[in-house]
Amino acid sequence: NAGVTQTPKFRVLKTGQSMTLLCAQDMNHEYMYWYRQDPGMGLRLIHYSVGEGTTAKGEVPDGYNVSRLKKQNFLLGLESAAPSQTSVYFCASSYWSVASSYEQYFGPGTRLTVT
Amino acid sequence: AQSVTQLDSHVSVSEGTPVLLRCNYSSSYSPSLFWYVQHPNKGLQLLLKYTSAATLVKGINGFEAEFKKSETSFHLTKPSAHMSDAAEYFCVVISGGGADGLTFGKGTHLIIQP
Repeated sequence: NAGVTQTPKFRVLKTGQSMTLLCAQDMNHEYMYWYRQDPGMGLRLIHYSVGEGTTAKGEVPDGYNVSRLKKQNFLLGLESAAPSQTSVYFCASSYWSVASSYEQYFGPGTRLTVT
Repeated sequence: AQSVTQLDSHVSVSEGTPVLLRCNYSSSYSPSLFWYVQHPNKGLQLLLKYTSAATLVKGINGFEAEFKKSETSFHLTKPSAHMSDAAEYFCVVISGGGADGLTFGKGTHLIIQP
């Protein structure tokens, strides 16, 4: 049981390049999320998904796209990277129960630098 | 809409002394509240959570937090700090439908002095 995994762990891009971050979870969770973490800002929600085939915008969605074609995977895409997207990206998954109340399980993060 | 305010960006304590990390929240609904910890260059780990059961919540590594509705607070405490507690701590709220993500505070950096 690997939990939540993210690929890649590190990446350096040049301005204008594109890339896709992959998040995978093996806990059969319904909900998945992408956050970015910047110094002094905490984590901010980029996009999320409440089920296979569905996605929704979070607090900071501009410049990103997502897809949830399979329940276990949640992809985050940058079509044309900008230096402002230099950040650490975290994926999370969750489920609802009375006990868990949407407690989220986080991946190890992807450190992205855009030059 | 929900929001979280962590009242201190940095807290410094000596090893063996008590830790207090302060968090106030705002929520239109009865909230669920969490504290997460992040050690340097690591992911996030859940310390404890409040989900409308007991107002005093015990977590891992000796941490606990008390939900006070009248004060809209969820402060994190530990009786005796250890060097390994040095990390970033995030207070987090989820409310309403819940599936649309968490709202994070900006974090409190805990420094432990030897």
